[in-house]
Amino acid sequence: DAGVIQSPRHEVTEMGQEVTLRCKPISGHDYLFWYRQTMMRGLELLIYFNNNVPIDDSGMPEDRFSAKMPNASFSTLKIQPSEPRDSAVYFCAEGPDTQYFGPGTRLTVL
Amino acid sequence: RKEVEQDPGPFNVPEGATVAFNCTYSNSASQSFFWYRQDCRKEPKLLMSVYSSGNEDGRFTAQLNRASQYISLLIRDSKLSDSATYLCVVNTGNQFYFGTGTSLTVIP
Repeated sequence: DAGVIQSPRHEVTEMGQEVTLRCKPISGHDYLFWYRQTMMRGLELLIYFNNNVPIDDSGMPEDRFSAKMPNASFSTLKIQPSEPRDSAVYFCAEGPDTQYFGPGTRLTVL
Repeated sequence: RKEVEQDPGPFNVPEGATVAFNCTYSNSASQSFFWYRQDCRKEPKLLMSVYSSGNEDGRFTAQLNRASQYISLLIRDSKLSDSATYLCVVNTGNQFYFGTGTSLTVIP
């Protein structure tokens, strides 16, 4: 069982660059969640999808963030342009009830 | 006010000790409750669900008090491998809310 796959595992970029984070969930789960984790704010829900449709994006910080789920086995989270305050670990997880997390992408924006 | 609040700790306890964590939640309509464990630089993983009647899994006991809106996790006979951050999670039906976590270090 490969579990939820995220790529890249680490990303270092410069302020202003576009960043794309990828998630490949285990097939068969209807819900997919994107979270951001920092020391200061803990784990925050950014957006979640049900059957590939975005349901609640109220946690997305601002217009620089966008997420898509073109099919049941793939989702992306894009930040454009990136800023140093976006530095965090980004997790995707699938549900709906018990959440199975991917290993996360550690993003550093310089 | 945060949806879920936890004492961040850290809790440093000797092997074999019993330790308890509490978590409070603000939404009285919350529907389901969980404890997750997160190891350093790893993803959160489900430790156990929390049921209204309380539930036990080996050395771990979880309890829910709806009237006071808190959940608890008790770890008996602590092992070195229990060292981690423990996250309290509340599902309101519309969204999951995670606490910021309680750090536990079990000392030899």
